[in-house]
Amino acid sequence: EIVLTQSPGTLSLSPGERATLSCRATQSVADNYLAWHQQKPGQAPRLLIYGASSRATGIPDRFSGSGSGTDFTLTISRLEPEDFAVYHCQQYGSSPITFGQGTRLEIK
Amino acid sequence: QVQLQQWGAGLLKPSETLSLTCVVSGASFSGYYWTWIRQPPGKGLEWIGEINHSGSTNYNPSLKSRVTMSVDTSKNQFSLKLSSVTAADTAVYYCARRIDSWGQGTLVTVSS
Repeated sequence: EIVLTQSPGTLSLSPGERATLSCRATQSVADNYLAWHQQKPGQAPRLLIYGASSRATGIPDRFSGSGSGTDFTLTISRLEPEDFAVYHCQQYGSSPITFGQGTRLEIK
Repeated sequence: QVQLQQWGAGLLKPSETLSLTCVVSGASFSGYYWTWIRQPPGKGLEWIGEINHSGSTNYNPSLKSRVTMSVDTSKNQFSLKLSSVTAADTAVYYCARRIDSWGQGTLVTVSS
């Protein structure tokens, strides 16, 4: 089973700043099948990025994903108030599919 | 645009069987894996397993002995059963299309 470790656990930033979230895997993610989801309180997660770097439909271009193998990054170039949420990475390249523990992005 | 609507019992007693169903609309049911994921209160996401339109399944080894998934292609529905539940199974359960579309979630509480 691939274990995903997200860092930091909590990130405190201000609107307008740049956010960099990390997701590290214990073994290489097949075909870079790595996704990022955003989750707001009381809501289901929403897909942001798939295939490590492809934005899902309707996702603003301030969200970008990068990385390969075992190290992946989600970058939000300029934080908007609605971006403060929990972010989950997910690998879907091998079974069992696994998630990271989440990074909470909070307003500083 | 694909939509997933789920339903099922929200309160169970220990040892009972959890049963949830999800109906898919707005997209083809074939060609995808349909997934169940859960999230205990205040915690992260856990993949339970997935099923495709022909009934082929993949389950999380940690839950495999208690999980059964089924599909009804005539109704564009798929279902989850989790047997012998305990308080540790208390969570919001989501249905999803592999990675890109999620149901609204169902809070299932296990309590005597």
